Amino acid sequence: QSALTQPASVSGSPGQSITISCTGTSSDVGSYNLVSWYQQHPGKAPKLMIYEVSKRPSGVSNRFSGSKSGNTASLTISGLQAEDEADYYCCSYAGSVVVFGGGTKLTVL
Amino acid sequence: EVQLVESGGGLVQPGGSLRLSCAASGFTFSSYEMNWVRQAPGKGLEWVSYISSSGSTIYYADSVKGRFTISRDNAKNSLYLQMNSLRAEDTAVYYCARWESTAGWFDPWGQGTLVTVSS
Repeated sequence: QSALTQPASVSGSPGQSITISCTGTSSDVGSYNLVSWYQQHPGKAPKLMIYEVSKRPSGVSNRFSGSKSGNTASLTISGLQAEDEADYYCCSYAGSVVVFGGGTKLTVL
Repeated sequence: EVQLVESGGGLVQPGGSLRLSCAASGFTFSSYEMNWVRQAPGKGLEWVSYISSSGSTIYYADSVKGRFTISRDNAKNSLYLQMNSLRAEDTAVYYCARWESTAGWFDPWGQGTLVTVSS
């Protein structure tokens, strides 16, 4: 049950695009298309942003997109806005367990 | 409105016990799988435990196996986490979250309840 690997921090200017990677193994990310991404603002509960690698729940901006290649999933945020500044966590189903990434702090410069 | 509300957190001494509750509303609780996820202060999310809609299937993270027990009461629309032999490293905000296994997502999440293990 090792955590997925994410960069500790990323940053970008308003209007730019950023990508957050999430590296797992052949036992989790590589084996299942059940990768999800969560946004968490300070003191708040996580919010679902992407599920099944690339699907967006109703109400989530189309500026958020997801993809996967092999054991690595990615979250891309285009047209960065100030309100996107938050922590982002990837998550993968791994059989009878679920594993999260360590989280990435996004700073909008 | 789909909502989850946790309760039962607090300060407990090492080796002590605590029982968390999660009240569900706005959806057919008995039809959904549920989980507990925790977040230590300043740290990332950690999955803790899973229970199927009927309660017949249960899984735990290695870090809590043998000490924590997840359960549910579908008649009361409630999820529980019995935590025994608590350690300092169990200090965290504990969230309950609805799980959709076919799509692999947690949604919604409760607001969380803080458990502090300290002497």
